[in-house]
Amino acid sequence: DGGITQSPKYLFRKEGQNVTLSCEQNLNHDAMYWYRQDPGQGLRLIYYSQIVNDFQKGDIAEGYSVSREKKESFPLTVTSAQKNPTAFYLCASETGKRYGYTFGSGTRLTVV
Amino acid sequence: QKEVEQDPGPLSVPEGAIVSLNCTYSNSAFQYFMWYRQYSRKGPELLMYTYSSGNKEDGRFTAQVDKSSKYISLFIRDSQPSDSATYLCAMSDGGGGNKLTFGTGTQLKVEL
Repeated sequence: DGGITQSPKYLFRKEGQNVTLSCEQNLNHDAMYWYRQDPGQGLRLIYYSQIVNDFQKGDIAEGYSVSREKKESFPLTVTSAQKNPTAFYLCASETGKRYGYTFGSGTRLTVV
Repeated sequence: QKEVEQDPGPLSVPEGAIVSLNCTYSNSAFQYFMWYRQYSRKGPELLMYTYSSGNKEDGRFTAQVDKSSKYISLFIRDSQPSDSATYLCAMSDGGGGNKLTFGTGTQLKVEL
């Protein structure tokens, strides 16, 4: 079945550490997105990519980095510069025809 | 003021009730409107998609868009306990990247 796979489901990060969240899709979608979800704040856009080897900052890109070397993959690195990384991270993809996103099941990141 | 406003609830209704969920927005450029359902600790799933103004029906769900009032609604008929979830509205101006702006979500509980 086609879909988006995010891993790991739960991730714990120590202070000062960089961690990478995986996002893989087999939907043949061109566009991919990373959102962060916090209680009471809704989903906020971190980065997005419309095509391989190209990506743009979203509203809250500081402390995060991404790459898009393959159409299927859009990993997100949470760097030590991100001061408040504890959140639920969601990856999504879209066909480019404005029909809405398909989301992965999310990664819950906790700083310990 | 947020671009998209959504009452967070929680909203509790008896099984079989008609549920009305709403969002207001301030950006008149929005023309693509979506409703997502999110179960606890899961990624959102697309329920309804509407372009511009009007109504759209799919089974027990009806989405309405009133662009003149900048107001969108989702109606759920014959609500079931399995409808208990958080409902997110989302919208886009269809521009570069098709970035979605989300409401904060309304938590719904349908009780037996």
